[in-house]
Amino acid sequence: AQTVTQSQPEMSVQEAETVTLSCTYDTSENNYYLFWYKQPPSRQMILVIRQEAYKQQNATENRFSVNFQKAAKSFSLKISDSQLGDTAMYFCAFWGGSEKLVFGKGTKLTVNP
Amino acid sequence: DAEITQSPRHKITETGRQVTLACHQTWNHNNMFWYRQDLGHGLRLIHYSYGVQDTNKGEVSDGYSVSRSNTEDLPLTLESAASSQTSVYFCASSPRQGSEAFFGQGTRLTVV
Repeated sequence: AQTVTQSQPEMSVQEAETVTLSCTYDTSENNYYLFWYKQPPSRQMILVIRQEAYKQQNATENRFSVNFQKAAKSFSLKISDSQLGDTAMYFCAFWGGSEKLVFGKGTKLTVNP
Repeated sequence: DAEITQSPRHKITETGRQVTLACHQTWNHNNMFWYRQDLGHGLRLIHYSYGVQDTNKGEVSDGYSVSRSNTEDLPLTLESAASSQTSVYFCASSPRQGSEAFFGQGTRLTVV
């Protein structure tokens, strides 16, 4: 079964700066999907970005981008020009092959003014 | 607009009681999931279903059951509630493997 590891329980960044959240995973699958979800204090889960493993190009959504290293099984999220509204829990998730959708333990990000 | 809704939003129950949390989606998604969220543990998968009459155990399924009699609903039942099941529960649905999962608002369950 696949596992998803987020090694940074908490991080902080100054407004307008860049921060990178790390995620590693373990799988024997070759075709799979990776996600970053954001959970603000409202508790709502919001998709930030999605990556298909067979695509070599890293996914980008406005200020959010990923560094996908398939061989290293690494999937980090970079947030550029951090805003106060980016303060939230961030979850990395994996869905592949015959496996189910599983999440990491999350990283609590605080953006300071 | 299509949506996914959970009910109730908050519930307090006593140890030993049977509790059912409802999840209803109007997207006609085949895939549905139940997770619990606890501090320090992130989201842990309880049960999931890939279609009507299909149910599968997740990593923390002990003490929980689900049934899928139609596409729209995946109710989660706690057979005999325990204090260890105090948590926030999330239901999610997705049209196909690898696509975005859409989450309900969550149910905060307290077992006293």
